[in-house]
Amino acid sequence: SQQGEEDPQALSIQEGENATMNCSYKTSINNLQWYRQNSGRGLVHLILIRSNEREKHSGRLRVTLDTSKKSSSLLITASRAADTASYFCATLNTGFQKLVFGTGTRLLVSP
Amino acid sequence: DGGITQSPKYLFRKEGQNVTLSCEQNLNHDAMYWYRQDPGQGLRLIYYSQIVNDFQKGDIAEGYSVSREKKESFPLTVTSAQKNPTAFYLCASSVAQGSNGELFFGEGSRLTVL
Repeated sequence: SQQGEEDPQALSIQEGENATMNCSYKTSINNLQWYRQNSGRGLVHLILIRSNEREKHSGRLRVTLDTSKKSSSLLITASRAADTASYFCATLNTGFQKLVFGTGTRLLVSP
Repeated sequence: DGGITQSPKYLFRKEGQNVTLSCEQNLNHDAMYWYRQDPGQGLRLIYYSQIVNDFQKGDIAEGYSVSREKKESFPLTVTSAQKNPTAFYLCASSVAQGSNGELFFGEGSRLTVL
């Protein structure tokens, strides 16, 4: 079952702009993770935020989590053409059983 | 270098044939997973294994089978019972159940049914 829904489905911006993508989920979670996928490749883990955290930073990435609204956002600042990829949120349920992935946001950063 | 190796990268199958996708990891991870990805879609869990000689069905296990005879290996067989097998298949591993669940992925295998 798909837990997360990303919004928007696709995003096109210019280099240097910020990119924001959102994720909504349905059930109680232990943590929420963001992954990146370049076209035709495997996914790469970007950042993890626990259910008791509200904000986390890693380099140009900023993630927020609002458990009352069951939503998260990923902000990529000062985007580069190399950031072009699909971005997925994934939630780990409170039973620690497995990650459930959203449908992804396709980001295109033009030079 | 530690990582996950999937093979083959591309595979073509005739209808009615079974095919096996290989997944090997040298990360010493206990848990391994198989996901299916269709164009423009998210990942759907096929099977997962948290320990050797044990595995559980995911959300779309029908038409697939797996084995976990060794910690390092988790092959996936796509059987003729899978009605729409053309997809991108991703193998992943994580440290163990109860960990933070961070997954490490292979580069994927693209299966096309002719």
